[in-house]
Amino acid sequence: EVQLVESGGGLVQPGGSLRLSCAASGFTVSSDYMSWVRQAPGKGLEWVSIIYSGGSTYSADSVTGRFTISRDTSKNTLYLQMNSLRAEDTAVYYCARVPFQRDYFDFWGQGTLVTVSS
Amino acid sequence: QSALTQPASVSGSPGQSITISCTATSSDVGGYNYVSWYQQHPGKAPKLMIYDVSQRPSGVSNRFSGSQSGNTASLTISGLQAEDEADYYCNSYTSSNSWVFGGGTKLTVL
Repeated sequence: EVQLVESGGGLVQPGGSLRLSCAASGFTVSSDYMSWVRQAPGKGLEWVSIIYSGGSTYSADSVTGRFTISRDTSKNTLYLQMNSLRAEDTAVYYCARVPFQRDYFDFWGQGTLVTVSS
Repeated sequence: QSALTQPASVSGSPGQSITISCTATSSDVGGYNYVSWYQQHPGKAPKLMIYDVSQRPSGVSNRFSGSQSGNTASLTISGLQAEDEADYYCNSYTSSNSWVFGGGTKLTVL
């Protein structure tokens, strides 16, 4: 059974850093594509970043240069390193799987809340 | 910048059918063959309902169907049930290694 469990969210001051984790089970994170999607309070979904099975990464313009997606295959875990955080980064962050060579998000974690505030 | 436009809200009575539209306002949405739809109940994670415009994942009710005409994709829910009340989002891959979501549609079952 595929499962994704996020952790690492919390309260951080503007300009601070945070690293989110997404522990996967039931499949290998390096065999598929893995992505982060966020949702600001009361708002819609926003795609954040993706890492392909080959290791290439891409991010939304709103986070490029500040957020870095990565994975640890030995731990079967996905990460999102978030630096220079801004108030507008406040959101629930979901990790999601994209099946290999496909374009949709078939499994999602439960989400972890990041609050950027002084 | 790509954009997918959805109505903010739709409503229907139990047993009726409703359709939610999703219109691409940019030409770089990957030929618009990659539309997927997600259902999200309050406080819950999104759930994949339709992929590749009209394909239904295993376990999703056949009351949910997807279609496309030109640059507009649609999600139809037939035999509306109270449990269908949720937010629905369309999504598409773009031509620049990124994905874009529609703004979301709140479905109210009257």
